[in-house]
Amino acid sequence: GESVGLHLPTLSVQEGDNSIINCAYSNSASDYFIWYKQESGKGPQFIIDIRSNMDKRQGQRVTVLLNKTVKHLSLQIAATQPGDSAVYFCAEGYTGFQKLVFGTGTRLLVSP
Amino acid sequence: NAGVMQNPRHLVRRRGQEARLRCSPMKGHSHVYWYRQLPEEGLKFMVYLQKENIIDESGMPKERFSAEFPKEGPSILRIQQVVRGDSAAYFCASSPTFGQGSTEAFFGQGTRLTVV
Repeated sequence: GESVGLHLPTLSVQEGDNSIINCAYSNSASDYFIWYKQESGKGPQFIIDIRSNMDKRQGQRVTVLLNKTVKHLSLQIAATQPGDSAVYFCAEGYTGFQKLVFGTGTRLLVSP
Repeated sequence: NAGVMQNPRHLVRRRGQEARLRCSPMKGHSHVYWYRQLPEEGLKFMVYLQKENIIDESGMPKERFSAEFPKEGPSILRIQQVVRGDSAAYFCASSPTFGQGSTEAFFGQGTRLTVV
């Protein structure tokens, strides 16, 4: 299932599916972007980041895509697992000043 | 290497009281950031500090809120004369000196402030 962006606050998928979470960022001067995972009652946990001079970066089961033309960021999670259930936030920042601006978040629900 | 430590985890204050939230950054980290999170919302930047210096407090309310990061000891976020609207989760993050590699900021588990 694919999120249509932050207008859809909850994304429900089946275990094993691939998940795509989208984010529109606001500042064209932002030069790095981070995805965080936040489980209930916990602090944000770093997942993956990407610099503005890249358009794709891969981690373990996760891929971040950056489209600077339309100021859009996405997080792809392969073979989604129940442990991936959480709220996912994108955040943007700019060099020399790590004041992150967070998006409003997408809740991912993974059914076994 | 312990992570970012925040205490207390939960804090209940009556209206008009003071709240003090503490944050010990990760070892070797000299930058501290405070964020506030309302239920079902994203984190909002409040203040960015280095040791003995406030670098950016553009996200701090003009009144009742203050922050410090002394030469010794944890960073403190202080809220005077709390009101119900101050109820939120307050997160602290720390990072190493910028430019020395990762842009990653590590977050603590947060302090959940409830004003009754």
